[in-house]
Amino acid sequence: QAVLTQPSSLSASPGASASLTCALPSGVNVGASRIYWYQQKPGSPPRYLLTYKSDFSKQQGSGVPSRFSGSKAASTNAGILVISGLQSEDEADYYCKIWHNGAYVFGTGTKVTVL
Amino acid sequence: EVQLLESGGGLVQPGGSLRLSCAASGFTFGNSAMTWVRQVPGKGLEWVSTISRSGRSGAKKYFADSVEGRFTIARDDFKNTLYLQMNSLRAEDTAVFYCVKVAGGDGQDDGFDVWGQGTMVTVSS
Repeated sequence: QAVLTQPSSLSASPGASASLTCALPSGVNVGASRIYWYQQKPGSPPRYLLTYKSDFSKQQGSGVPSRFSGSKAASTNAGILVISGLQSEDEADYYCKIWHNGAYVFGTGTKVTVL
Repeated sequence: EVQLLESGGGLVQPGGSLRLSCAASGFTFGNSAMTWVRQVPGKGLEWVSTISRSGRSGAKKYFADSVEGRFTIARDDFKNTLYLQMNSLRAEDTAVFYCVKVAGGDGQDDGFDVWGQGTMVTVSS
């Protein structure tokens, strides 16, 4: 099954913006894919953040602040989660996910630290 | 309030079987596809299986390669309960298993919008 590659960690300062990438394998076109993003804090189950396919096809999870947004980078075949105005409460693990060939695939996860 | 409550986890020997249950409340269970996701403590998320809402020809089921042929998924829309029957368990199946509500009904290419707290399954002799 496909593998979605995410940086293992990312650090940023409070108030900064953070861009988390999710690289799709070469045989999977990011342009045609919906990218789902989840946040998981220690000791808690994951939380659904948002879905992004395009600026015209996207959905925000219930209660998720608008400073969490999605985008894509066609040049690198990657989905991107942007967190604007980082807050200490954003410290967590973040996972991307796609649907491919009749199966769901999660990314490897990125640990975000707010310095 | 939407709630998912897993049960049935525990310690089982390699080669053994276990059935997980997930009691759902606070939403129209029969309209939603449902999913199981697992996570080895300290590691990433792994999708296990998804079942669509029931249709005229039954519910569609999807499985990860790692569990295909060993695990089965089922739902009881009268009891608002999701099940995962796990057979031929291996040490590498040791994980926290989460019951998850899918945003839509067909189970394909959709968000996982509500998660249970999870139940731990340990496969060890």
